[in-house]
Amino acid sequence: EVRLVESGGALVQPGGSLRLSCEGSGFSLSASSVHWVRQSPGRGLEWIGRMRNRANMNAAGYSPAVRGRFTISRDDTTNTAYLQMDNLQPGDTGIYFCGRSAVDARIRAPDFWGQGTRVIVSS
Amino acid sequence: QAALTQPPSASGTPGQSVTITCTGTSSDVGGYNSVSWYQQYPGKAPKLLIFEVTERPPGVPDRFFGSKSGKMATLTVSRLQPEDEAFYYCISYAGSESWVFGGGTKLTV
Repeated sequence: EVRLVESGGALVQPGGSLRLSCEGSGFSLSASSVHWVRQSPGRGLEWIGRMRNRANMNAAGYSPAVRGRFTISRDDTTNTAYLQMDNLQPGDTGIYFCGRSAVDARIRAPDFWGQGTRVIVSS
Repeated sequence: QAALTQPPSASGTPGQSVTITCTGTSSDVGGYNSVSWYQQYPGKAPKLLIFEVTERPPGVPDRFFGSKSGKMATLTVSRLQPEDEAFYYCISYAGSESWVFGGGTKLTV
């Protein structure tokens, strides 16, 4: 059974940092690309970033809203991807989902998502 | 990188068909055959319904149909069922390793 489990969400003060994890099981994350998206309370999905697989040079892209503050990384030996979030602001509050594209093609969107982890940025 | 445009709401009665549109630009929807559609129930993870405009993953009923013309993609849900009541989101590749979602459409059955 394919599973993605996010963890690491917490309450953090503005300006703080947090690292989210996304652990895959039932498949090999190494062949996949990994996306992160978020959903603010009562709002829609917002794409944050994607990291391609090693064959595609682990190329990464980010939305303008998080570029320079958020960084995606991956450890294929543990089937885990990460989202490092720095200089967090209240607008970053939301549920963060990771998703995988089992076929890492340039225009292939995620085919499976985790259940999400909640991040609250507040003083 | 503006969000793709979706109608905030759509509705239909059981057995009917409904269409949800997703309008972008030549830099995203119009530039790539990448549009995917997701179904999301409140508090749940998104579920992939359509990828690369028209393709259905295994297990997705053929009641869900995707298409595209120019800068507008469309999701058609036929033979509506009560369990189709959910939020629907489109996403498109937008070049330079970036993606963009639509604002979402709440479908009421």
